Amino acid sequence: DAGVIQSPRHEVTEMGQEVTLRCKPISGHDYLFWYRQTMMRGLELLIYFNNNVPIDDSGMPEDRFSAKMPNASFSTLKIQPSEPRDSAVYFCASSWQGPTYEQYFGPGTRLTVT
Amino acid sequence: AQTVTQSQPEMSVQEAETVTLSCTYDTSENNYYLFWYKQPPSRQMILVIRQEAYKQQNATENRFSVNFQKAAKSFSLKISDSQLGDTAMYFCFCAGGGSEKLVFGKGTKLTVNP
Repeated sequence: DAGVIQSPRHEVTEMGQEVTLRCKPISGHDYLFWYRQTMMRGLELLIYFNNNVPIDDSGMPEDRFSAKMPNASFSTLKIQPSEPRDSAVYFCASSWQGPTYEQYFGPGTRLTVT
Repeated sequence: AQTVTQSQPEMSVQEAETVTLSCTYDTSENNYYLFWYKQPPSRQMILVIRQEAYKQQNATENRFSVNFQKAAKSFSLKISDSQLGDTAMYFCFCAGGGSEKLVFGKGTKLTVNP
């Protein structure tokens, strides 16, 4: 298996633009997680899905952020409009049995909003 | 709310020596799981070790072992025979079995010196 795939690996955009980050989980994994990593706040859980259904979205910062999982093999995290404070590394992870078991992380997307 | 504290922002150790990274946590869950993840300079998050809170026996994975003190809510990671490839950020992670949020500590940057 290729592991968790994220695209793009790097994204530079201007303030106010829409940004879409993409994730393909490991086949057969029923759980998908989105995390954000910054120097100031560390690693924060944004949202996670089980069988394509959002289970906990309490970490989504504000209405500018939205996440979808239309099928078992694809998820998106969208920021609209983007702001400089959204600059961070965004990780997607997947798990076979849930958050109390090993999560397999993607390589992350480094987002820079100027 | 669930919290995870790593009190050592940075540590260093000589190759082949032993080092211990500290982690304390707080949770209202009775059933929870603790993890150590490693993030080398490549940015890839990798599971190091997992501990089930209801198990008294400390988890061990080759050179990595934990000292789990449930009453003290302490979960330290011991790395024996340190290798240059152990240089990384190490994150302590707590996953509750119920409604508590998934929480990472802020991390400890470990440098293994030759």
